[in-house]
Amino acid sequence: AQSVTQLDSHVSVSEGTPVLLRCNYSSSYSPSLFWYVQHPNKGLQLLLKYTSAATLVKGINGFEAEFKKSETSFHLTKPSAHMSDAAEYFCVVRLTSGTYKYIFGTGTRLKVLA
Amino acid sequence: NAGVTQTPKFRVLKTGQSMTLLCAQDMNHEYMYWYRQDPGMGLRLIHYSVGEGTTAKGEVPDGYNVSRLKKQNFLLGLESAAPSQTSVYFCASRAGGGGDTQYFGPGTRLTVL
Repeated sequence: AQSVTQLDSHVSVSEGTPVLLRCNYSSSYSPSLFWYVQHPNKGLQLLLKYTSAATLVKGINGFEAEFKKSETSFHLTKPSAHMSDAAEYFCVVRLTSGTYKYIFGTGTRLKVLA
Repeated sequence: NAGVTQTPKFRVLKTGQSMTLLCAQDMNHEYMYWYRQDPGMGLRLIHYSVGEGTTAKGEVPDGYNVSRLKKQNFLLGLESAAPSQTSVYFCASRAGGGGDTQYFGPGTRLTVL
């Protein structure tokens, strides 16, 4: 069965310090993986996606993620946090069989301290 | 180009009442999805559609019905609302073929008393 696990429900960082949000997946097939961001009372916005091209994926707002097949991980990073990065982040895997459903992680809430 | 829109944004129902949530997309996308978001549980798939006139059950379909009579619209119905259906509902769409990015609407916050 395919699944996705976000290892931290909450992460706090100081402004200007690096961000690491962890995601592990299990998939029987080559996965498509996504990171979405949700700001308070807003919809979900795509940050970046991996679809079997380059293993290091760059997204919007300075975020990037590295696909590591041997570790079944797709961790999200940013070199320097900004106050506006405070939000909830979701790691998502797309099922590649059948009718293209998606599995969402339970989310990581990022807090940025001044 | 409005993307994905949802109507209404907020609604309060009493137990047993019915309502319909409307999702509309103007991107000519084939696939549409309804999710619910509850604290600590991520998004869970209620129903989805792979094209006009088709619907299928997702992970948590009980108590909901859907229809996709027009390609651009995907309706989610609650026939007899229950407090357990208090949630934030998100609609998403994606293109067919090789496109696999979902685009989300702004959400509908539903409270059932």
